Amino acid sequence: SYELTQPPSVSVSPGQTVTITCSGDKLGDKYASWYQQKSGQSPVLVIYQDDKRPSGIPERFSGSNSGNTATLTISGTQAMDEADYYCQTWDRSSYVFGTGTKVTVL
Amino acid sequence: QVQLVESGGGVVQPGTSLRLSCGTSGFSFRSYAIHWVRQAPGRGLEWVAVISSDGDNQYYADSVKGRFTISRDNSKNTLYLQMTSLRPEDRSVYYCAREISSGKHFDSWGQGTLVTVSS
Repeated sequence: SYELTQPPSVSVSPGQTVTITCSGDKLGDKYASWYQQKSGQSPVLVIYQDDKRPSGIPERFSGSNSGNTATLTISGTQAMDEADYYCQTWDRSSYVFGTGTKVTVL
Repeated sequence: QVQLVESGGGVVQPGTSLRLSCGTSGFSFRSYAIHWVRQAPGRGLEWVAVISSDGDNQYYADSVKGRFTISRDNSKNTLYLQMTSLRPEDRSVYYCAREISSGKHFDSWGQGTLVTVSS
């Protein structure tokens, strides 16, 4: 079965840039999406189709996808961005989530 | 606005059954594939199942295949998940989520319902 691997955790200082990677076999040939999940809340879509932002998502969230790696970048990170982040893709009628990355804003 | 509201969770014994529901409003339910996604306490998201907009096609994760059945009633704007032969490892918050077909992503989620399987 298809797998997506993310680093378990990353930390960032307020105002700095943080990058979260998501690795999967030939992931660049598929669409990648990203979800933010704050403690005790439901997931929220922040990036879809590799690099598109839904309405209402701040411009500081951006995405890319090439080769075997999709990337979520948060520029000018704010305290409110502290959350778990999951990548997601689709492979042969199966939907796959990444292992998740906890972003801590120090 | 788009709303999805799960219900039906609770505490059940191993080997028993439970049916979850997901009531929806604010969009044309019959036009979208809808999914179940679960999350065990302190763990990551796990895709469970999807049903096509017309209900003709269903796909499942290997971990629930043969035990769970996803269905929908487009006249009631409601999604269901029939869970049988429940195991302790099925303990999770179960979310329903709407799929956007062009990108195979989930743009709207419910608040989740907790299922606990324990003797």
